[in-house]
Amino acid sequence: GAVVSQHPSRVICKSGTSVKIECRSLDFQATTMFWYRQFPKKSLMLMATSNEGSKATYEQGVEKDKFLINHASLTLSTLTVTSAHPEDSSFYICSALKRWGDSVNTGELFFGEGSRLTVL
Amino acid sequence: AQTVTQSQPEMSVQEAETVTLSCTYDTSESDYYLFWYKQPPSRQMILVIRQEAYKQQNATENRFSVNFQKAAKSFSLKISDSQLGDAAMYFCAYRRGSNYKLTFGKGTLLTVNP
Repeated sequence: GAVVSQHPSRVICKSGTSVKIECRSLDFQATTMFWYRQFPKKSLMLMATSNEGSKATYEQGVEKDKFLINHASLTLSTLTVTSAHPEDSSFYICSALKRWGDSVNTGELFFGEGSRLTVL
Repeated sequence: AQTVTQSQPEMSVQEAETVTLSCTYDTSESDYYLFWYKQPPSRQMILVIRQEAYKQQNATENRFSVNFQKAAKSFSLKISDSQLGDAAMYFCAYRRGSNYKLTFGKGTLLTVNP
């Protein structure tokens, strides 16, 4: 397997502040990472695809200025929730793609532990 | 757009018994993959089993097996000899063969009774 770590696991912030969540692939390089959002007792919704060295690709309906994604290295992607509001409270999960070949299907996704954001 | 439907919000099973979780999906693609993920209370998603659409043989991983009915677009998970540690939320997921974006179902909460 492979290890993907998210930090922080829990964060509480005041409304109007910004919060940064990190997703690290600890033992492999990941040119592609994905960010999901999960509401309580709900499914995971893909927010965006994070690509190392280029802009993230956001899913329809996700505000890119609200959820800033930076993938500055092959092992780290960050999600910054800007000017957070209570409705942004959620569980955020990242996954990293580990590839073992050049073909589009030679890879596997590994998930982080998730980060619970509570905005007061 | 692809959709994944899990019609059972909750299921329960007695320890050592067998349980089947249902999943159907809708796609017009011919190249795709299907997955079952487990999300225990710790919340980290764990891959249980995967199935390539081009493979006719049902995937098996120890006590976990799938019944993949491609024509019916059905992908059920069977857990044999259920253990207390199997208690978790189970998500069925789909991805196209050309990328790694996952589409998840709404999940089934499995309870294992001792």
